[in-house]
Amino acid sequence: TQLLEQSPQFLSIQEGENLTVYCNSSSVFSSLQWYRQEPGEGPVLLVTVVTGGEVKKLKRLTFQFGDARKDSSLHITAAQTGDTGLYLCAEAVYRDDKIIFGKGTRLHILP
Amino acid sequence: EPEVTQTPSHQVTQMGQEVILRCVPISNHLYFYWYRQILGQKVEFLVSFYNNEISEKSEIFDDQFSVERPDGSNFTLKIRSTKLEDSAMYFCASSENAHNEQFFGPGTRLTVL
Repeated sequence: TQLLEQSPQFLSIQEGENLTVYCNSSSVFSSLQWYRQEPGEGPVLLVTVVTGGEVKKLKRLTFQFGDARKDSSLHITAAQTGDTGLYLCAEAVYRDDKIIFGKGTRLHILP
Repeated sequence: EPEVTQTPSHQVTQMGQEVILRCVPISNHLYFYWYRQILGQKVEFLVSFYNNEISEKSEIFDDQFSVERPDGSNFTLKIRSTKLEDSAMYFCASSENAHNEQFFGPGTRLTVL
């Protein structure tokens, strides 16, 4: 079973700062997804990466997939209070059509 | 924008009681899923459902659990005899096709006393 480790578990930084959170796997991802979950809501898909070394940008968010497809990072530039939330990495297991989630990084952006 | 809805938002029940959690998937979606998230733990896959059949289920989804699509719009998760450890957020999701993006509902918080 794929084990997804996310770090840090918690991160609290000032608005305007940059940050990076990480996701590591015990084995190669078939495809990796990043979600954001806010209190009282379900996870919302931010991005899917498939190819090793792939970089995707979503406004101030930059997602990078490791060359070996076993790790990924999410970098946020100039964090805003609206970025506060739980960021989950996940593997979309195509063979079984299910998603395996990590425990997430809880991000708190201070005004 | 179409969205997955779930009712109730919070359900409190006594241990041993049956509960039914309801979901209305996005209308043109064909694949349906249930996940759960125990407080402080990760979101875990329970079951996937397509064409009125279970496609895949996890080891969590034992005989106490069942799913049904009783009509053209609802998708339900039944827990026959709840246990304390069933307390969790339960998320329904749907997708247009297999392996497409899954859209999650807001969840039902189940509390078993």
